[in-house]
Amino acid sequence: GAGVSQTPSNKVTEKGKYVELRCDPISGHTALYWYRQSLGQGPEFLIYFQGTGAADDSGLPNDRFFAVRPEGSVSTLKIQRTERGDSAVYLCASSLMNTGELFFGEGSRLTVL
Amino acid sequence: QQQVKQSPQSLIVQKGGISIINCAYENTAFDYFPWYQQFPGKGPALLIAIRPDVSEKKEGRFTISFNKSAKQFSLHIMDSQPGDSATYFCAASRAAGNKLTFGGGTRVLVKP
Repeated sequence: GAGVSQTPSNKVTEKGKYVELRCDPISGHTALYWYRQSLGQGPEFLIYFQGTGAADDSGLPNDRFFAVRPEGSVSTLKIQRTERGDSAVYLCASSLMNTGELFFGEGSRLTVL
Repeated sequence: QQQVKQSPQSLIVQKGGISIINCAYENTAFDYFPWYQQFPGKGPALLIAIRPDVSEKKEGRFTISFNKSAKQFSLHIMDSQPGDSATYFCAASRAAGNKLTFGGGTRVLVKP
């Protein structure tokens, strides 16, 4: 597809479970970002990849959150021991290096019961 | 610490009217200021962006005004249309391509 693709679009899980959210960026985009958006709030930065490496992971809230981008394209956000407070829409975005414009996917809505 | 403050939280405007959204930032290292538009169930999409070396930028019906000394910037939507009904977010970063810090959003409703 032409845009950023995120799967699953919806995920319902139980407290304490492990969750993986996948992001497939626009082909050729070297930068990839993860944001978290709670209801009625602006997106909150989590982590940013330039190629395969995490250029800035200062937004990850704690060590239960981890993200990888092993081949510089698809990225997976991993959340261990989920808590009810992790419920949010997780947004992925990609961009050409240093152009500024982020192209967002439609997000993965995570609900932790 | 909320580094980008946005107001108002919501706005109702008649078709053809002007929508004005304001943002204030604290970090003087910010030098890239985009506005994003988000429809329900969709991701944000870039609307218009400005750098601090200019005081105003216009693209179609959308204008950003920037006041560096006051650390404030605003979005004006001229001739507002029902299709403009969406949530608008201001944002800021140290450089284009770096992480964005978003404001809390403004929900705009344009009444026909």
